Amino acid sequence: QSVLTQPPSVSAAPGQKVTISCSGSSSNIGYYYVSWYQQLPGTAPKLLIYENDKRPSGIPDRFSGSKSGTSATLGITGLQTGDEADYYCGSWDRSLNAEVFGTGTRVTVL
Amino acid sequence: QITLKESGPTLVKPTQTLTLTCTFSGFSLSTNAMGVGWIRQPPGKALEWLALIYWDDDKRYSPSLKSRLSIVKDTSRNQVVLRMTNIDPVDTATYYCAHRDGDRLTYDSWGQGTPVTVSS
Repeated sequence: QSVLTQPPSVSAAPGQKVTISCSGSSSNIGYYYVSWYQQLPGTAPKLLIYENDKRPSGIPDRFSGSKSGTSATLGITGLQTGDEADYYCGSWDRSLNAEVFGTGTRVTVL
Repeated sequence: QITLKESGPTLVKPTQTLTLTCTFSGFSLSTNAMGVGWIRQPPGKALEWLALIYWDDDKRYSPSLKSRLSIVKDTSRNQVVLRMTNIDPVDTATYYCAHRDGDRLTYDSWGQGTPVTVSS
């Protein structure tokens, strides 16, 4: 049902970097801003990145976002055990006239 | 500080109508660009967007669920109510409401979620 495609999982050792891709279309990512949300186990999603690359106050600069064409990327540097979570991208879709979320990516710290 | 909290039944029988209430503070739904959305998450699955209402009563619905959903706001009580008709076991999920920043097109604050199980 998800319109945006993400890899199911990524992993890396503590201190390393991971990137998560989010692939969409000209109707969503290619036209509108992308947001990224972090969902720690058993908790509600939390906004990490908005307007493609902006961080809300309180979000460390280890988290970064970028967008190119119909794809977006979330980067996490200096990976910590506390970063183990599910990450979702989201955008508005002009064809569906609806919000669309990604399939979700689980980050594991080895 | 924006806070939101969902409330409603935890167990619903198939074919019934589910009514969920989102009670919020820290913003007003009469303010330009403010909105409240509903998102759900079946156990072990991804987020699924359901509906959105803006300060000017503009309403948007998931195309696949549009015929079963209705969203209304009560500005004076700082509440948004989502109704879903003809409930089915596949609707079992945690339901979240979230504050929509209409300028930034993002959900910047989320409620804790309320679990709903559909079973006879």
